[in-house]
Amino acid sequence: AQSVTQLDSQVPVFEEAPVELRCNYSSSVSVYLFWYVQYPNQGLQLLLKYLSGSTLVESINGFEAEFNKSQTSFHLRKPSVHISDTAEYFCAVSEVGGSYIPTFGRGTSLIVHP
Amino acid sequence: DSGVTQTPKHLITATGQRVTLRCSPRSGDLSVYWYQQSLDQGLQFLIQYYNGEERAKGNILERFSAQQFPDLHSELNLSSLELGDSALYFCASSVSGGAADTQYFGPGTRLTVL
Repeated sequence: AQSVTQLDSQVPVFEEAPVELRCNYSSSVSVYLFWYVQYPNQGLQLLLKYLSGSTLVESINGFEAEFNKSQTSFHLRKPSVHISDTAEYFCAVSEVGGSYIPTFGRGTSLIVHP
Repeated sequence: DSGVTQTPKHLITATGQRVTLRCSPRSGDLSVYWYQQSLDQGLQFLIQYYNGEERAKGNILERFSAQQFPDLHSELNLSSLELGDSALYFCASSVSGGAADTQYFGPGTRLTVL
């Protein structure tokens, strides 16, 4: 069975600074990887996902994540954050050909200060 | 707006009572998922339905039950409520319920058990 570890429960950062939210996973088979974002008082929404092909995936609002198979990681990065990026970010993994259900990490709270 | 609707938005009830949460998936989505989100447990998968049939079961208590109806809407029934059942309950839907699917989350139902 797969598992996900988000190493930081909270990441404070100043506006326009770069940020990296870390995600490591464990699985014995190939995986699909997801980042979801939850803004205050809302449900989760997909930010980006890796299914196959290029290991670098990008979102429409400037985030990117790189799948690193050797390090079993899928860290999320943004070169310059905005106040509006303040939210909870969840990494999730599901197994190719395995359970239909992704396993979600505990979440990382990104707090952007002016 | 994800296209997934959940009612009610808030629910306050007493211990021992029974409540029903309702979810309408996005148009065209055949699979519905239920999650419980709390501060101490994070996001916990409860159960998944696909086209009216139960497909996967997670950490769902025996006091809880769910079903998906022919029109694809779903209901989550929580009975003999305890204080610890207070949480946000999310419904999500996806096209086929597969491991690579993007899940679209509703806004959630906040349950408070007094």
